[in-house]
Amino acid sequence: KQEVTQIPAALSVPEGENLVLNCSFTDSAIYNLQWFRQDPGKGLTSLLLIQSSQREQTSGRLNASLDKSSGRSTLYIAASQPGDSATYLCAVRKAAGNKLTFGGGTRVLVKP
Amino acid sequence: DTAVSQTPKYLVTQMGNDKSIKCEQNLGHDTMYWYKQDSKKFLKIMFSYNNKELIINETVPNRFSPKSPDKAHLNLHINSLELGDSAVYFCASSQGTGGEQFFGPGTRLTVL
Repeated sequence: KQEVTQIPAALSVPEGENLVLNCSFTDSAIYNLQWFRQDPGKGLTSLLLIQSSQREQTSGRLNASLDKSSGRSTLYIAASQPGDSATYLCAVRKAAGNKLTFGGGTRVLVKP
Repeated sequence: DTAVSQTPKYLVTQMGNDKSIKCEQNLGHDTMYWYKQDSKKFLKIMFSYNNKELIINETVPNRFSPKSPDKAHLNLHINSLELGDSAVYFCASSQGTGGEQFFGPGTRLTVL
C-alpha cells in the first residue's frame, strides 16, 4: 500500500529565502507525481506534474525533482514571497487509471 | 472562465437528510473525480469516472452514489447523512486517467 509523507508539517521562512519542500513515498513504482498548492478555504491548484520518466520539472520560480529509486520528490521555490504562503501537497499515482495518494501537506508561512 | 465548478459551496443540513453536490468542468476532460478532505486535511479519493464509466470506487458507504450524466458533469448524492460525513468534498478532472488533475473550489458539508 502506497504511503506518502511530507515532512515537516509546517515551515516558516523569511521573505526572499528559498523554500525546500519534501515528499517521500513508500512504493517507487509510480506513474507520475503531482504537486499542488492549497490556500485556506480554497481548492487545490496544480503546480507541477512529473512523469515517472522525468527527473525534474520547472515552472517559473518552482522546480520539482523526482528520484524514484529513493522514493522522494522535492519542490523548490526560489526567492519566496508572502504570497507563497499556503499548504503544499504532493500526490503520487501508481498507474494510469489508479487513484492519487496524497501526503498530509506542508503548511508554509513566508514572513515579510 | 471557471474550469471546474461545484455547487453549492456550503451545505448545512440535519442528520438523516439526503443531499446532492454538483460538479461541472469546461476543460473538455474525459475523467472526473470526487475527493473527501476531512477535518485533519487529509485528501482521499472516493470515486472516479472515465467517459461516464466508473473506474475507481474506494471503500465508501453505499449511501454515497455518484452519477455522471455526461463527460462534463459528475454529481454526488448522499443519502441518510451522518455526522461523520461532515467534510469538504472536492471535484476534479483530468484528460485521460493518468493526466494532471484540476480541482474545483470544494463544497463544505456540515451535518448537524
